[in-house]
Amino acid sequence: GAVVSQHPSWVICKSGTSVKIECRSLDFQATTMFWYRQFPKQSLMLMATSNEGSKATYEQGVEKDKFLINHASLTLSTLTVTSAHPEDSSFYICSATDRGRTVAEAFFGQGTRLTVV
Amino acid sequence: AQSVTQPDIHITVSEGASLELRCNYSYGATPYLFWYVQSPGQGLQLLLKYFSGDTLVQGIKGFEAEFKRSQSSFNLRKPSVHWSDAAEYFCAVGLTGGGNKLTFGTGTQLKVEL
Repeated sequence: GAVVSQHPSWVICKSGTSVKIECRSLDFQATTMFWYRQFPKQSLMLMATSNEGSKATYEQGVEKDKFLINHASLTLSTLTVTSAHPEDSSFYICSATDRGRTVAEAFFGQGTRLTVV
Repeated sequence: AQSVTQPDIHITVSEGASLELRCNYSYGATPYLFWYVQSPGQGLQLLLKYFSGDTLVQGIKGFEAEFKRSQSSFNLRKPSVHWSDAAEYFCAVGLTGGGNKLTFGTGTQLKVEL
C-alpha cells in the first residue's frame, strides 16, 4: 500500500512552452501533497505544499505564477511549469501523506526529469 | 527552522564492511526522523523512520538507525554492505504534530568497492 505515482517520468519540452506533471496517490487519500525540486547531485528542496481544495502554499523564493499547483481531488495534485526555460530543467518529486494514518509519513513518487531545450 | 546536516558528502566502503552514515539535526523539539535512499534518476525509498519509543530503529535491507537525543543525531548503520547499496542517502526531519513537510540533508553518496 501507500503508492504514489508520478507522470510523466521524463519530459523534454521547448523553451517557452508549459509542462504539466501529475502526482497521484494510488491506494490512499492524500489531503496534503508536497512538491520538491532536486538539482543534479543536490538535495531536495521543498517548493510548495498542496492542499486539497485550497491554494497551495509556496516556499520563499518559488514563483507561484511560474509553478502552478492544483490539488483538485484527494488523490491528484498537478504541477504545471509555465513558460519553461532551460534553468527550469530539474528533477521534480512529489510526496503525499496518507490522511488515514495516525502518524504522519510521506510517500514519494518516482520523480519527473524535466529537460527544457 | 529545523535543519539537517549530513557531514559526509561521499563515503566509500568495501563490500562486506560495516557502514555508518551520519546525520545531525537542529530542532527545538523531538522531530520525526527519516532515512531515504535514492538510486540515480529514481525517486526516494524509505529505509526507516523514527517517531517515538525505542531509539534503535530497524529498517529495510538490513539498515538500522539510532536516535540520540543528547547528540541530536540519527545515524544510519549497516553491519555488512552489499554492492547494491551504492546510492545516495538522505536524512530528513519532519515536524511533530503533522510532520509531513520534510527538510532534507544534503545527502551522502555511498560507493561500494568490490
